[in-house]
Amino acid sequence: GNSVTQMEGPVTLSEEAFLTINCTYTATGYPSLFWYVQYPGEGLQLLLKATKADDKGSNKGFEATYRKETTSFHLEKGSVQVSDSAVYFCALQWNSGGYQKVTFGTGTKLQVIP
Amino acid sequence: EPEVTQTPSHQVTQMGQEVILRCVPISNHLYFYWYRQILGQKVEFLVSFYNNEISEKSEIFDDQFSVERPDGSNFTLKIRSTKLEDSAMYFCASSDTNAKTRLGRGYTFGSGTRLTVV
Repeated sequence: GNSVTQMEGPVTLSEEAFLTINCTYTATGYPSLFWYVQYPGEGLQLLLKATKADDKGSNKGFEATYRKETTSFHLEKGSVQVSDSAVYFCALQWNSGGYQKVTFGTGTKLQVIP
Repeated sequence: EPEVTQTPSHQVTQMGQEVILRCVPISNHLYFYWYRQILGQKVEFLVSFYNNEISEKSEIFDDQFSVERPDGSNFTLKIRSTKLEDSAMYFCASSDTNAKTRLGRGYTFGSGTRLTVV
């Protein structure tokens, strides 16, 4: 079935370091891909998305490119800040039987230290 | 920007008690969902709801769980007799898209209700 695999955390970086959080997926058809962020004590927020191959989603300095050839959607940011400390979830969305379905990765905790 | 609102933000209940988690989806949305996240684990699908009925449910969503849209604005999740392992963050989500027309809009999630069963 459809699934998402993302790198294990926690990831600890110094402020202004480069961030990559890997995400790969298994799916049939043409799914959409998302990154959600969960700040401490808060709910899930949509960070960015890409709906077809080669699309690049971007928001708040984060980027991810939908790569069908490698079935990947890695999250990147050129210079992280302490305020980026959160758990990041990669998610896959597809249609099945006329309804949307979403499955999430296990989440990667990012800790940015000053 | 429209929000999905969940109440309460935190609920503590004794094992065996019934709890009702409340959600107010975005007003023009038609599809509603409950997910849960046990601490430190992945976000898991519980149930989807459309046109006043369950459209799909996971194996987690057993007879102890039920959902309802009692008044056209609220969307509730009831756990009939809570167990310790029901302790988790419960997220409500809604969307306005039909999969056949506009896939990719994503869901709008509420901020969650942290349920602690003691």
